[in-house]
Amino acid sequence: DQQVKQNSPSLSVQEGRISILNCDYTNSMFDYFLWYKKYPAEGPTFLISISSIKDKNEDGRFTVFLNKSAKHLSLHIVPSQPGDSAVYFCAASEPGANSKLTFGKGITLSVRP
Amino acid sequence: EAGVTQSPTHLIKTRGQQATLRCSPISGHTSVYWYQQALGLGLQFLLWYDEGEERNRGNFPPRFSGRQFPNYSSELNVNALELEDSALYLCASSLRLLQGSNQPQHFGDGTRLSIL
Repeated sequence: DQQVKQNSPSLSVQEGRISILNCDYTNSMFDYFLWYKKYPAEGPTFLISISSIKDKNEDGRFTVFLNKSAKHLSLHIVPSQPGDSAVYFCAASEPGANSKLTFGKGITLSVRP
Repeated sequence: EAGVTQSPTHLIKTRGQQATLRCSPISGHTSVYWYQQALGLGLQFLLWYDEGEERNRGNFPPRFSGRQFPNYSSELNVNALELEDSALYLCASSLRLLQGSNQPQHFGDGTRLSIL
């Protein structure tokens, strides 16, 4: 049972344009959501997170939107740069001391120069 | 500031052997987590240690075990290795979790374990 789903395996975007990466979840207990970026042969790098008490969090070129009623979140990257080309993972956790992250399978973003 | 460091980078073992993977967390972080990323699968939660204690465990058999040392570094031990244990093993660390707080986990570059 996949509780975090990234249904599009890949996305290609022109440099300078917006990249929108989507993520859906099924577990209504999730209250903390994160995005990670992963380059080949490296571990995931934390990008941005959002708590369920918010519907938007922004950090520079990265903005995460959370729609709790739809159990959907998205990562917007504006403007996209070639260095953003990587695999992006969505992750979520439940409240309390549970602390395990449940990951999606990732989306490969390619930013074309 | 040094990130999460893992050793070795690569490890080759044969079926039935034991493997030991090591992780040093970011300075000041007390929680350490282990994840497995097998080919074609997403990251699967294995274990969480905090203050030397195992706090949570994923859906893995008991031959996956570990420990956390007083300096907060951690070892993951896999006994009786099977072919399907071939995977990338990632360690992450975070600040201590207080009730009701959220802390992002920061990952190392992983240990690639290959079972022949």
